Amino acid sequence: KAGVTQTPRYLIKTRGQQVTLSCSPISGHRSVSWYQQTPGQGLQFLFEYFSETQRNKGNFPGRFSGRQFSNSRSEMNVSTLELGDSALYLCASSSTGQGTTEAFFGQGTRLTVV
Amino acid sequence: GQNIDQPTEMTATEGAIVQINCTYQTSGFNGLFWYQQHAGEAPTFLSYNVLDGLEEKGRFSSFLSRSKGYSYLLLKELQMKDSASYLCAVSLSGYALNFGKGTSLLVTP
Repeated sequence: KAGVTQTPRYLIKTRGQQVTLSCSPISGHRSVSWYQQTPGQGLQFLFEYFSETQRNKGNFPGRFSGRQFSNSRSEMNVSTLELGDSALYLCASSSTGQGTTEAFFGQGTRLTVV
Repeated sequence: GQNIDQPTEMTATEGAIVQINCTYQTSGFNGLFWYQQHAGEAPTFLSYNVLDGLEEKGRFSSFLSRSKGYSYLLLKELQMKDSASYLCAVSLSGYALNFGKGTSLLVTP
């Protein structure tokens, strides 16, 4: 069974640009969550999707957005990139999305903003 | 706001036992997770507690006291490969995990 796949693995962007990251969950998983990981703040919750609906959102500015497709694949978009957006972006998938079962994480996308 | 605290760093000797503590103050509680993350890798699930008490899984055990807002992860018979970051996370609602900043564990020979 394939794990959670995130593409691309590495990305370098310039301030002011926008970026789209992709996440393919484990087959059969309908819940996809996104997290930002930085050395100073650790893992911070961005948003969670279940069956194409955003159910939860963390405390990030509106420049961070996401969506989920009917096949459960998800994308997140960051517009008007800032230097502080440099981070590892992790997505996680879960079978139930009820918060009581384990989440499986992808390897992440390392975004560097210059 | 949500507050989850764990020590930043710990060092322990191969073969020993180490306990990593986590305290939390959150607006909701749907369970507490522990994840392990090796440098440059994805976090992997270790344990889940929703009721008070101890959950044992091989060399790893996790304890929860909901009334005290406290959990710990116990690692026995430490091995060099246990050197990693250990993340405590509280599940609030739906699938939103609130993570502590992680505890970096170094196992020395």
